[in-house]
Amino acid sequence: QKEVEQNSGPLSVPEGAIASLNCTYSDRVSQSFFWYRQYSGKSPELIMSIYSNGDKEDGRFTAQLNKASQYVSLLIRDSQPSDSATYLCAVGFQKLVFGTGTRLLVSP
Amino acid sequence: SAVISQKPSRDICQRGTSLTIQCQVDSQVTMMFWYRQQPGQSLTLIATANQGSEATYESGFVIDKFPISRPNLTFSTLTVSNMSPEDSSIYLCSVEDKRTGVSTQYFGPGTRLTVL
Repeated sequence: QKEVEQNSGPLSVPEGAIASLNCTYSDRVSQSFFWYRQYSGKSPELIMSIYSNGDKEDGRFTAQLNKASQYVSLLIRDSQPSDSATYLCAVGFQKLVFGTGTRLLVSP
Repeated sequence: SAVISQKPSRDICQRGTSLTIQCQVDSQVTMMFWYRQQPGQSLTLIATANQGSEATYESGFVIDKFPISRPNLTFSTLTVSNMSPEDSSIYLCSVEDKRTGVSTQYFGPGTRLTVL
């Protein structure tokens, strides 16, 4: 059974801080990793994808992948109250396995 | 990314009835997927819908309960049959986008289903 684990949170950070979201996965042969943001009552929105070890930056977001440790993380720099949402980690090729999500709260 | 729409956006249904959810994409896509998100839970893949072939169901989901159609490259339907309150969920379709050379998925707005 392929599993994706996330801390459910909530993770509370003040505005302007760095939010660090973590995800571990069980399937060692996984090649594709995604972070989705889901606002309450809305559908998931893709914010980052990463496929190779190391860091991938896109604006205020940085995804980090360590396949040896089966670990993927998302850093959000200069966190804003509008970043408050649930962040879902997803793993897999086409058939995505989702974690339960980490709820992020950014306070003004 | 592709623009995806779903109908209905929400519905309240009586147990024992069936509901068909439509998913429309503004461009041709090979692979479409149907997910379920139960209250307070994460997403679970129900099935993969390829045009021209039968849908492939994940463990725990069967065609009699969740029949899927994929008549062309821009449209798919998911039917939730003989509904019970346990079927109350958000149902989401997604499409695969490979224009960047790698497979990514984008989600429709979802259908919020409540079964009484």
